[in-house]
Amino acid sequence: AQSVTQLGSHVSVSEGALVLLRCNYSSSVPPYLFWYVQYPNQGLQLLLKYTSAATLVKGINGFEAEFKKSETSFHLTKPSAHMSDAAEYFCAVSMDSNYQLIWGAGTKLIIKP
Amino acid sequence: EAGVTQFPSHSVIEKGQTVTLRCDPISGHDNLYWYRRVMGKEIKFLLHFVKESKQDESGMPNNRFLAERTGGTYSTLKVQPAELEDSGVYFCASSHLGYEQYFGPGTRLTVT
Repeated sequence: AQSVTQLGSHVSVSEGALVLLRCNYSSSVPPYLFWYVQYPNQGLQLLLKYTSAATLVKGINGFEAEFKKSETSFHLTKPSAHMSDAAEYFCAVSMDSNYQLIWGAGTKLIIKP
Repeated sequence: EAGVTQFPSHSVIEKGQTVTLRCDPISGHDNLYWYRRVMGKEIKFLLHFVKESKQDESGMPNNRFLAERTGGTYSTLKVQPAELEDSGVYFCASSHLGYEQYFGPGTRLTVT
């Protein structure tokens, strides 16, 4: 069965510092990979997606993620954190474009002033 | 273009009562999904509609949950009778081609 592991339920960074949120998946074939963000009191918003095109994927709000097949990873990064980035971030995978999403447990990003 | 909407935003019911959650997908989206996040756990898939047909309902926890999608438009998820462990946030998502699922704001269900 597919699974997604997000390392760290909470990650705290200073404003202006690098953001790195880790995601590893278990799959024998490259899946479709997604990062979603949930801001306080809002729904889930797609940040970016990997669908077997370029391995470095750029998303909204300055975020990007790199698909590394050898490491079965899809870590999310942003060079400089902003206070508005404080939210919960979810990594998800799907084996097909119409298949259900399988989710990681989520990582809450805390930005220190 | 209107996004995915869900109603109600929050529901508090007593154990044994019935609750119906509604999801209105983005117009023209044939695919509709239901997910649930129980507190402290990851988001879990419940079921997937393609138009009015259930494509995959492998995630439905038990027969107390009933989902319908009338005419391939809005969908309802009924919990009858509700149990304490049903508390959580229920998300609905819709997609056209499947790569991108657009989510609603969720319904927070509290069973007391």
